[in-house]
Amino acid sequence: AQSVTQPDIHITVSEGASLELRCNYSYGATPYLFWYVQSPGQGLQLLLKYFSGDTLVQGIKGFEAEFKRSQSSFNLRKPSVHWSDAAEYFCALSNFGNEKLTFGTGTRLTIIP
Amino acid sequence: NAGVTQTPKFQVLKTGQSMTLQCAQDMNHEYMSWYRQDPGMGLRLIHYSVGAGITDQGEVPNGYNVSRSTTEDFPLRLLSAAPSQTSVYFCASNSGVNTGELFFGEGSRLTVL
Repeated sequence: AQSVTQPDIHITVSEGASLELRCNYSYGATPYLFWYVQSPGQGLQLLLKYFSGDTLVQGIKGFEAEFKRSQSSFNLRKPSVHWSDAAEYFCALSNFGNEKLTFGTGTRLTIIP
Repeated sequence: NAGVTQTPKFQVLKTGQSMTLQCAQDMNHEYMSWYRQDPGMGLRLIHYSVGAGITDQGEVPNGYNVSRSTTEDFPLRLLSAAPSQTSVYFCASNSGVNTGELFFGEGSRLTVL
């Protein structure tokens, strides 16, 4: 069965510092991978996705993620965080890009001044 | 442009009561789905539909019914609410062309006493 693991439940970083959120997956083939962000009281919004090709993908709001097949990882990065990045972040995968996504448990990001 | 609209936003039920969570989208998307979000468990798929008249079960379908009579609407019914169904429910839609990008509503917070 496919699964997504986000090892960090909560991360705190200072404004302006760099960020990396970890995501590991378990899947028999090459998965379609996604990062979503959920602001407080809101639904989820797609940050970026990986289907194939270049393993470094760029997303909205200055985020990027790198697919590493050898490590079964799809970590999310941002060089310099802003207070508005405080939110919960979910990694997800699907089979052949269909719409049935399997989500990780999420990482809550807190930004301190 | 409303996107995905969920009603109600908040609801309190007593055990054994029934209710329907409404979901409507105005993007002419074929694919619609319901997820529940619980602390520490991420989002789990309840039911989904790939088009009007077609529904199927997701990961956690027990206790929930759905129907899809139109492209726009995908209501979720709780026939006899249980405290274990206390959760935040999200409806999502997608154009169904394997993009993997789900468009989420803002959620419905349900408490079952």
